Amino acid sequence: NAGVMQNPRHLVRRRGQEARLRCSPMKGHSHVYWYRQLPEEGLKFMVYLQKENIIDESGMPKERFSAEFPKEGPSILRIQQVVRGDSAAYFCASSPRGVNTGELFFGEGSRLTVL
Amino acid sequence: SQQGEEDPQALSIQEGENATMNCSYKTSINNLQWYRQNSGRGLVHLILIRSNEREKHSGRLRVTLDTSKKSSSLLITASRAADTASYFCATAATGANSKLTFGKGITLSVRP
Repeated sequence: NAGVMQNPRHLVRRRGQEARLRCSPMKGHSHVYWYRQLPEEGLKFMVYLQKENIIDESGMPKERFSAEFPKEGPSILRIQQVVRGDSAAYFCASSPRGVNTGELFFGEGSRLTVL
Repeated sequence: SQQGEEDPQALSIQEGENATMNCSYKTSINNLQWYRQNSGRGLVHLILIRSNEREKHSGRLRVTLDTSKKSSSLLITASRAADTASYFCATAATGANSKLTFGKGITLSVRP
């Protein structure tokens, strides 16, 4: 059973471009979470999705950021018109039934650098 | 704001010694989880303790939970150089559709 797959692992964008980060959860996992990590800091929650539904997006900036988890295919975190402050590691995690019943399985992260 | 706050922020010990890391949180929880992160990698789950549990063991790991003090501790016994990593506590608040809220982490260095 393959783990959580994130791509790209590294992404470089210039200010104003779009960044699109993909996450394929573990097989059988319908709960997906996105987190952001700045250097030397913990993980900040961004968004929680179940298939085709956004459950909690309280950690996601209202502008420029969007997330989806379609019926078929990976979850996508999209950042439009990137700024230098968006430079960070973005981690995706999945779970079969949510965190109240068990752990999260994390991907290796996508590291975004905005020039 | 961060739910979990770990202390110390950094810990350096000799191989073979025990490492104790503490975590405090603010709200009612369903469970508390500890994760480990090696530099440049994703997080790996270590252990989960539910709100109605007080202590749990897994190999060289021992975790305690005191819900009256809203605190938890992680003990790693007989540490090894390979235990060098960052350790995070994370809480799942009570209620449906919860998410994990992470602390800032503890950097553990184990000297060979």
